Amino acid sequence: EAQVTQNPRYLITVTGKKLTVTCSQNMNHEYMSWYRQDPGLGLRQIYYSMNVEVTDKGDVPEGYKVSRKEKRNFPLILESPSPNQTSLYFCASSFRPPGTGELFFGEGSRLTVL
Amino acid sequence: GNSVTQMEGPVTLSEEAFLTINCTYTATGYPSLFWYVQYPGEGLQLLLKATKADDKGSNKGFEATYRKETTSFHLEKGSVQVSDSAVYFCALSAPYTDTGRRALTFGSGTRLQVQP
Repeated sequence: EAQVTQNPRYLITVTGKKLTVTCSQNMNHEYMSWYRQDPGLGLRQIYYSMNVEVTDKGDVPEGYKVSRKEKRNFPLILESPSPNQTSLYFCASSFRPPGTGELFFGEGSRLTVL
Repeated sequence: GNSVTQMEGPVTLSEEAFLTINCTYTATGYPSLFWYVQYPGEGLQLLLKATKADDKGSNKGFEATYRKETTSFHLEKGSVQVSDSAVYFCALSAPYTDTGRRALTFGSGTRLQVQP
């Protein structure tokens, strides 16, 4: 089954404690992105990857890091989480660049930073 | 810059009612337009899309027409079901940046509640 898998689905943590949200896709897609969803703001892109070892900042990259060492994985790293990073996070992948083809989303990871 | 404006929700309808969710956009060039749907506890799924002016996207009984003259892409369905209850996002494709990145710009989402 074609899917994008994120872990953890839910996480409560404290300010400053490093965490990683994993994302894996089994569709051999080149393009992967991370978005955050906040009430009234829709989805905003955090980081974007066009292929292995190729990443670019999205619209709201501050406080986040990513890496793309393998085609299937695109982890999101919060080195020192802060309460304003409390949000619902989505990983997405696509065969074509976003906007030219369908995006496939994971089920989301709800993060709370106390 | 690019932006998408959707009607605020929630929209509450009875089963078999007619649905319209308004979406207007601001963009440079000729973007593609999309509707994504998010069912409770799930990620977003592509519902339909249109890539040029006057195109009509359709899927699962939903339709939307790309209107360049009014910069709109309203979502419609003739007869909604309880299973259509979800959050609906309008989105447009942004131009490529000078680093080769391309993104979708999403609206804030409209929650639809269909009552039996």
